[in-house]
Amino acid sequence: DVKVTQSSRYLVKRTGEKVFLECVQDMDHENMFWYRQDPGLGLRLIYFSYDVKMKEKGDIPEGYSVSREKKERFSLILESASTNQTSMYLCASQDRGLAYEQYFGPGTRLTVT
Amino acid sequence: RKEVEQDPGPFNVPEGATVAFNCTYSNSASQSFFWYRQDCRKEPKLLMSVYSSGNEDGRFTAQLNRASQYISLLIRDSKLSDSATYLCVVNGDGGFKTIFGAGTRLFVKA
Repeated sequence: DVKVTQSSRYLVKRTGEKVFLECVQDMDHENMFWYRQDPGLGLRLIYFSYDVKMKEKGDIPEGYSVSREKKERFSLILESASTNQTSMYLCASQDRGLAYEQYFGPGTRLTVT
Repeated sequence: RKEVEQDPGPFNVPEGATVAFNCTYSNSASQSFFWYRQDCRKEPKLLMSVYSSGNEDGRFTAQLNRASQYISLLIRDSKLSDSATYLCVVNGDGGFKTIFGAGTRLFVKA
């Protein structure tokens, strides 16, 4: 079974703090994604990576950065957390192939106060 | 207009009912289509892929109409355990451009 793990299930941070969210997958997948999910808006893509050290902006990259130094690990960084970044953050991985199924981690519910 | 639009929920149905969800997408170049299921406070998981010829998996049937840019999911003989949010997902170029619909909430009641 594909396993995608995220570093925290719940996180509370203060405005202005730097926040690191980590995601690890164990299936040697090339593609990895970071989404945020908000009520009524669905999942919105923040960043994705299709290879080590490669990254592409998604639909809402502002206020975020990412790092992929190893194939299995994809980190999301909030440089200076703000209250509008309070959300559920979901990481996903995907094999580079025709299947295109994405496997999600359990999510991190981040609250910025 | 949203790139992927789904029926607004919630759908409240009794056990045993048949329920259908619809989804439209705006990008005619979209290549692959899926339905995901998301339980409350859980991550989305793939329910089934959607093929042009239509496909069935037990009580679930998915259909794709490329001409109308429309996807559907039919659930027959609804179970309590089918209660969840169903996400319509459309992939565009190379699989990177993945668009999730906002989801349709289903409540199946005894």
